[in-house]
Amino acid sequence: SQTIHQWPATLVQPVGSPLSLECTVEGTSNPNLYWYRQAAGRGLQLLFYSVGIGQISSEVPQNLSASRPQDRQFILSSKKLLLSDSGFYLCAWSTGTGETQYFGPGTRLLVL
Amino acid sequence: GQQLNQSPQSMFIQEGEDVSMNCTSSSIFNTWLWYKQDPGEGPVLLIALYKAGELTSNGRLTAQFGITRKDSFLNISASIPSDVGIYFCAGQYSGAGSYQLTFGKGTKLSVIP
Repeated sequence: SQTIHQWPATLVQPVGSPLSLECTVEGTSNPNLYWYRQAAGRGLQLLFYSVGIGQISSEVPQNLSASRPQDRQFILSSKKLLLSDSGFYLCAWSTGTGETQYFGPGTRLLVL
Repeated sequence: GQQLNQSPQSMFIQEGEDVSMNCTSSSIFNTWLWYKQDPGEGPVLLIALYKAGELTSNGRLTAQFGITRKDSFLNISASIPSDVGIYFCAGQYSGAGSYQLTFGKGTKLSVIP
């Protein structure tokens, strides 16, 4: 069966520091991968999605970037965090046809 | 862009009562999904609907894909305390190779024992 992992689970970072969140999927190959942000426990905002290694589509211009160095690895990064980057970050995967997305456990980021 | 209206925004019910929530869209979808999210965790898929008119059950949960393809509802029968959480609908239109889901803003369910 497929599983999706995210780490860290919780992160507290100062403003201006870099960020790297990691997501990995097991039990499937060539998945579509997604990064979402959820503010205040409601509403999921799609940030990035990837249909293959090195292929990244950005949905919202912002302070963040994403990379996919391996088939089942998706990384969310920032060079300098802003206070507004605080939130709950969710990674998800789907098959190539993309109808159904499955979410990871999430990373809670607090920027102080 | 596509928008989903999910209602109600929140609801408080007595344990044992039935629950109904729905989502409507300004445009058609090919897929409707319902998720539940517990505090501090990722959303968990409850039911997936792939065909207009489809009615699907998962235990005490029942969801339907509207005939017009612009709406879906989720019913929970005989609610129990562990039903507490936020329920999200999501729709996908797979035209033009799009993989994106459009999410509703969620229905926060509270169950009073």
